[in-house]
Amino acid sequence: AIQLTQSPSSLSASVGDRITVTCRASQGISSTLAWFQQKPGKAPKLLIYDASSLESGVPSRFSGSGSGTDFTLTISSLQPEDFATYYCQQFNSYPFTFGQGTRLDIK
Amino acid sequence: EVQLVESGGGSVQPGRSLRLSCAASGFTFDDYAMHWVRQAPGKGLEWVSGISWNGGSTDYADSVDGRFTISRDNAKNSLYLQMISLRPEDTALFYCARGGRVTFDSWGQGTPVTVSS
Repeated sequence: AIQLTQSPSSLSASVGDRITVTCRASQGISSTLAWFQQKPGKAPKLLIYDASSLESGVPSRFSGSGSGTDFTLTISSLQPEDFATYYCQQFNSYPFTFGQGTRLDIK
Repeated sequence: EVQLVESGGGSVQPGRSLRLSCAASGFTFDDYAMHWVRQAPGKGLEWVSGISWNGGSTDYADSVDGRFTISRDNAKNSLYLQMISLRPEDTALFYCARGGRVTFDSWGQGTPVTVSS
């Protein structure tokens, strides 16, 4: 199975900050990567697919980049509603796998 | 509006069985693959199983292969997960998710499964 390793595991930041989360795949997966946001007690929400395509309705402050084995999620200017846990996920091959998550909280 | 509503979760003893259901509405069900994803308490997300639009192809995580069976009834707009030989490590919130153009683009709110003696 393809393993995804996210870093950092947790991150403290302030409203207005620019933050980046990285996701590294154990083997090349082209651009078959997605990013999800999950808030406590809620289902995950798709933010980015195909490594850099923004899901409909997702604010433009979210962006994704990368291909092969190294990927990033960037939030350009944090808003209060962005404090949540973020997961990367590969859909290159079964079994689909997720990163372990990055918890983003308020500094 | 896409809606996915899971049901069937509960508390069971190790070795017992449970069948989860997911009722879909707001979209053409048989246009999409469907999946089950679970989340153990305080832990991350784990993909469990997926099924193609017509049920002709299914896939499973190694951790559940041989114990769980995914199925669907397109006439009823419903997805199922039959779970047998349940283990304590299967304790989790089980989500039904739509397989969008590439990945999980809509999720239900989940149904909890607790496996404990």
